[in-house]
Amino acid sequence: GAGVSQSPSNKVTEKGKDVELRCDPISGHTALYWYRQSLGQGLEFLIYFQGNSAPDKSGLPSDRFSAERTGGSVSTLTIQRTQQEDSAVYLCASSLLMGQGEEKLFFGSGTQLSVL
Amino acid sequence: ELKVEQNPLFLSMQEGKNYTIYCNYSTTSDRLYWYRQDPGKSLESLFVLLSNGAVKQEGRLMASLDTKARLSTLHITAAVHDLSATYFCAVDEAGTALIFGKGTTLSVSS
Repeated sequence: GAGVSQSPSNKVTEKGKDVELRCDPISGHTALYWYRQSLGQGLEFLIYFQGNSAPDKSGLPSDRFSAERTGGSVSTLTIQRTQQEDSAVYLCASSLLMGQGEEKLFFGSGTQLSVL
Repeated sequence: ELKVEQNPLFLSMQEGKNYTIYCNYSTTSDRLYWYRQDPGKSLESLFVLLSNGAVKQEGRLMASLDTKARLSTLHITAAVHDLSATYFCAVDEAGTALIFGKGTTLSVSS
């Protein structure tokens, strides 16, 4: 596809269940980000993959959160034992480093996660 | 830890008036980005500012960067309803993740 694709677009789950959120970045983009946006809040950085480098996991809020990126392309964000405070829109973005270090992010439409 | 602060967080504007949004950041980075988010939509890139004194303009929006003051401004000229959205600034340091401010929600009314 032409853009960043995320699935599912909506996910309703029960407290304590595990969820997996998927992101298909733009082909050829070397960097991939996951952010979380709670209602009326800004973007909270979660994790960053850049090429073959070790991911920057500094934004993950707890050890219940993990992410992987297979083959430098598709990424999965996993939340174990979901809690109500995990309810948010999870946004994925991919980017290509351009000249002068410019990095333009292209965002997916997000996954709205609701934990009941 | 890189911090990015925007103000105001909410701005109610009248059509035809001029306004400025401010973005302060805590790093020595000279790369700053502005994004727009419409309600229920994802983010869209507006401007990339890559050096001290950089100025970019598109339509009624103009962004500038002062790396010495660690400040970027987004100036809105003669606001129109179509500009109602949330605007985010974001900063990164070389090789690290892009960190966003909390966003400024603009509401333009006649």
